[in-house]
Amino acid sequence: GAGVSQSPSNKVTEKGKDVELRCDPISGHTALYWYRQRLGQGLEFLIYFQGNSAPDKSGLPSDRFSAERTGESVSTLTIQRTQQEDSAVYLCASSLVGLGSPTFFGQGTRLTVV
Amino acid sequence: AQRVTQPEKLLSVFKGAPVELKCNYSYSGSPELFWYVQYSRQRLQLLLRHISRESIKGFTADLNKGETSFHLKKPFAQEEDSAMYYCALSGSGGTSYGKLTFGQGTILTVHP
Repeated sequence: GAGVSQSPSNKVTEKGKDVELRCDPISGHTALYWYRQRLGQGLEFLIYFQGNSAPDKSGLPSDRFSAERTGESVSTLTIQRTQQEDSAVYLCASSLVGLGSPTFFGQGTRLTVV
Repeated sequence: AQRVTQPEKLLSVFKGAPVELKCNYSYSGSPELFWYVQYSRQRLQLLLRHISRESIKGFTADLNKGETSFHLKKPFAQEEDSAMYYCALSGSGGTSYGKLTFGQGTILTVHP
């Protein structure tokens, strides 16, 4: 597709279950980012991929959160043993690497933990 | 540490009035500054960036390094400008090149 695609659009899960969120970046974009937006708050950085490696994982809030990227393309964000405070919109973004390269965002996955 | 502050959570103006959305930042280096916009039911999209010195949809923003500000301005607001606006900063270089730090966002409502 032409833009960053995320699936699912919405996910409702029970507390304690694991969830996987998927991101398909724009083809050729080597940089990929995950952000989280909790209700009433700004976007929080979670993790950055350059190719398939993640030089910056500093935003992952706990060891229940992990992410991987394969083929310099698709990325999966996994949240284990979900908690209610994990409820948020999870945004994926991608960009080329270069001065001033714009970042393009997906439509987000709205996660609700009940 | 880098930080972006948008002091106004909500901003309301009437159509045709000037509008200014404030953004202040802190960063020990040469940052790249951006404004992103999210219209109702649409994804977050780039509005403008300081290095381009461009005007998009009538909006402009000037980087003021002395005041560490990057306020977004439009002389005559339109109803279709109603949206959530985020100011964002990216540090230049390092292992997290392109990583964005966002402000809390300002909801702009333009009344008819």
